Amino acid sequence: DAGVIQSPRHEVTEMGQEVTLRCKPISGHNSLFWYRQTMMRGLELLIYFNNNVPIDDSGMPEDRFSAKMPNASFSTLKIQPSEPRDSAVYFCASSKGAGGLYGYTFGSGTRLTVV
Amino acid sequence: ELKVEQNPLFLSMQEGKNYTIYCNYSTTSDRLYWYRQDPGKSLESLFVLLSNGAVKQEGRLMASLDTKARLSTLHITAAVHDLSATYFCAVLLQGSQGNLIFGKGTKLSVKP
Repeated sequence: DAGVIQSPRHEVTEMGQEVTLRCKPISGHNSLFWYRQTMMRGLELLIYFNNNVPIDDSGMPEDRFSAKMPNASFSTLKIQPSEPRDSAVYFCASSKGAGGLYGYTFGSGTRLTVV
Repeated sequence: ELKVEQNPLFLSMQEGKNYTIYCNYSTTSDRLYWYRQDPGKSLESLFVLLSNGAVKQEGRLMASLDTKARLSTLHITAAVHDLSATYFCAVLLQGSQGNLIFGKGTKLSVKP
């Protein structure tokens, strides 16, 4: 089991550019979560999917952020246009079933720096 | 609104000593998770606590859950340097299908 795979590991971009973060959940996990971690705000849930369907996107900070899950093995988080305050580590996590009965597995994260 | 509070936020302890990290949460939930994060790394799952009275142990770490008191503890026995990391508790928002609310984390430093 390769775990939750995120790419890229590091991204440096200029303000105003589009950024796309990618996530491959563990095979057989049907829930996927995007989190953001900053020193100021800690770990925040941005959006989560069950069976590829977005369930709660209330954590998405603004319209510049969007997420998709076109199939069970792939999700993207897009920021367009990016701003310096978007600089953070973005984690993807997956779990088997809904409700957290089996826990959550986190990917290695993408460290995003917007200059 | 579910709030999760950990204390202490910083903990410096000597090897061989015992200590407890506390995690309080503000609304009803019966699912609580403990994670470890090393600097620059991902979150590693330590314990999944699914019911009142649940107790789990792994090595020098033991976690418990009291849903009536809305309290979980992470007890460290005879600390060693390798336990130095940041420890997070996370609580499942009741009625959600997976919204985890995290505490701010406890940064543990174990000194020889």
